[in-house]
Amino acid sequence: GQSLEQPSEVTAVEGAIVQINCTYQTSGFYGLSWYQQHDGGAPTFLSYNGLDGLEETGRFSSFLSRSDSYGYLLLQELQMKDSASYFCAVNTNAGKSTFGDGTTLTVKP
Amino acid sequence: EAQVTQNPRYLITVTGKKLTVTCSQNMNHEYMSWYRQDPGLGLRQIYYSMNVEVTDKGDVPEGYKVSRKEKRNFPLILESPSPNQTSLYFCASSPSQGMTQYFGPGTRLLVL
Repeated sequence: GQSLEQPSEVTAVEGAIVQINCTYQTSGFYGLSWYQQHDGGAPTFLSYNGLDGLEETGRFSSFLSRSDSYGYLLLQELQMKDSASYFCAVNTNAGKSTFGDGTTLTVKP
Repeated sequence: EAQVTQNPRYLITVTGKKLTVTCSQNMNHEYMSWYRQDPGLGLRQIYYSMNVEVTDKGDVPEGYKVSRKEKRNFPLILESPSPNQTSLYFCASSPSQGMTQYFGPGTRLLVL
């Protein structure tokens, strides 16, 4: 089966940079995705890595190393509205999608 | 507007009373999926569908059924709900597997 590990909580101050790591175990790896979820809301897509390297989308970047079964989400110029839960999710080539338990990011003024 | 819709948004029911949660997407997506989310946990995949008439089990399929008779709809059926199925349910769709998933607003289910 699949399993993912990510930190449960991260705290940072406004304007700072924070990195959320994700390690995974899976067979038939297809890609690693990142989602943001505010309290009570639906998850929204942030970034996707199918190949090794860095993907940049505005203030958010994501990195993948398939040989290390490791990825991270980098959030720059943190804003208060970035306080949310962040999930990594591994997709397999069979179509399955497994999410980590989420990292709660608290941004302080 | 491109979206995934779920109905109902909130549901209180009793043990054993069959229910269906509907999911519909208007983006012509091939891939659709159902997840449940419990407090402190991530989303756990219940079932997914790569295309019409093609469905497969996710990580927690027990007690659930799905069908994909047409591309836009992917209903979740609980034949005999039990209290341990009390949860927040999300439907999602994607152009194809492995790509960005677009989530519906969620359905909060309470089984008494």
